[in-house]
Amino acid sequence: ETGVTQTPRHLVMGMTNKKSLKCEQHLGHNAMYWYKQSAKKPLELMFVYNFKEQTENNSVPSRFSPECPNSSHLFLHLHTLQPEDSALYLCASSHSGGKTYEQYFGPGTRLTVT
Amino acid sequence: RKEVEQDPGPFNVPEGATVAFNCTYSNSASQSFFWYRQDCRKEPKLLMSVYSSGNEDGRFTAQLNRASQYISLLIRDSKLSDSATYLCVVVTYGNNRLAFGKGNQVVVIP
Repeated sequence: ETGVTQTPRHLVMGMTNKKSLKCEQHLGHNAMYWYKQSAKKPLELMFVYNFKEQTENNSVPSRFSPECPNSSHLFLHLHTLQPEDSALYLCASSHSGGKTYEQYFGPGTRLTVT
Repeated sequence: RKEVEQDPGPFNVPEGATVAFNCTYSNSASQSFFWYRQDCRKEPKLLMSVYSSGNEDGRFTAQLNRASQYISLLIRDSKLSDSATYLCVVVTYGNNRLAFGKGNQVVVIP
């Protein structure tokens, strides 16, 4: 596999469910990101990991819990979500340092909370 | 004021025509600027960086105006495959994160 992959591609969950989103990058990058893309809104950065360490949490509610076991894998654990959390969740990766602007995105998980 | 602002459009462009659109940014300390492209129901991809002196990549020309705090993208000889949303991205060193605009939607019409 190449690039950045995400699973599942689509997810429908109830407000009481617990689910996890998975991201994997095959590019040798050291930084990974979670973004949220809602309709009519810009991409919102949620979390940043550099060399497996979380370096940014952009005031994300605790019902979203990231996990980065190594530089190639990133998870987003979801529990007790709200309908307004329905959105496209995009994972991205990049080199650390001066080239963080060149981010490679996965295809996203389209999440619907019912 | 939003950090990065774009007119979402859509910009309907006849095939072969030229289209241009701007993006304004609010933080004068912003230092790096980029255009990403996002096709319908796909992920964003880096299109090009924007340099202070302006730069060109084939039919695409990007310009930066620091005094007025905006960047622009011009597409010449539009192709049907240019239909996409073009996302303006601004980076401010110090926080080193990408700030995205909502995007300019371009629809090239045959």
